[in-house]
Amino acid sequence: AQSVTQLDSQVPVFEEAPVELRCNYSSSVSVYLFWYVQYPNQGLQLLLKYLSGSTLVESINGFEAEFNKSQTSFHLRKPSVHISDTAEYFCAVREGSGGYQKVTFGTGTKLQVIP
Amino acid sequence: NAGVMQNPRHLVRRRGQEARLRCSPMKGHSHVYWYRQLPEEGLKFMVYLQKENIIDESGMPKERFSAEFPKEGPSILRIQQVVRGDSAAYFCASSPRGQTNTGELFFGEGSRLTVL
Repeated sequence: AQSVTQLDSQVPVFEEAPVELRCNYSSSVSVYLFWYVQYPNQGLQLLLKYLSGSTLVESINGFEAEFNKSQTSFHLRKPSVHISDTAEYFCAVREGSGGYQKVTFGTGTKLQVIP
Repeated sequence: NAGVMQNPRHLVRRRGQEARLRCSPMKGHSHVYWYRQLPEEGLKFMVYLQKENIIDESGMPKERFSAEFPKEGPSILRIQQVVRGDSAAYFCASSPRGQTNTGELFFGEGSRLTVL
């Protein structure tokens, strides 16, 4: 069965500093990987996704994540964070190849950007 | 608004009452998922439905909880005889069917249930 581990429940970081949010997954088959962001009192929004091809994927607001099959990781990074990045970030995995496959979420990492 | 619509956004119930949460998926989406979010626990899958069919209810508690997605109208998550432990945010998500379904989910803003 697939599972997702986000070891860091909270990550405080100063504005304009780099950040990495860690995500490791467990699956016996090929996977699709996702990062979602949740702002206070809102639903989740897709930030970026890895389906196939290049292992480095980017979002429009400067985040990037790299799929590492050997380490079963999909860590999220940003070289310089803004106050507006304060939110909770969820890593998710879906086992691939057609049909219905459940999407499993991690427990989330709260990113707090300090002015 | 073409997004996933959930209502009510906030619901307060006393122990023993019933809670009904509604979800209208995005236009053109035929798959609906319900998740429950508790503090420090992330999102827990509850049920996956297509029109008139429950595809996967492996995350649903065995008692008091039920879900439906009728041919016409929104999907409904029903909780009977609520208890304080049911207090949580309940999120609905939808996705398209077929080849366009890559697993990306489109979420509503959630319904926050408080049981007194």
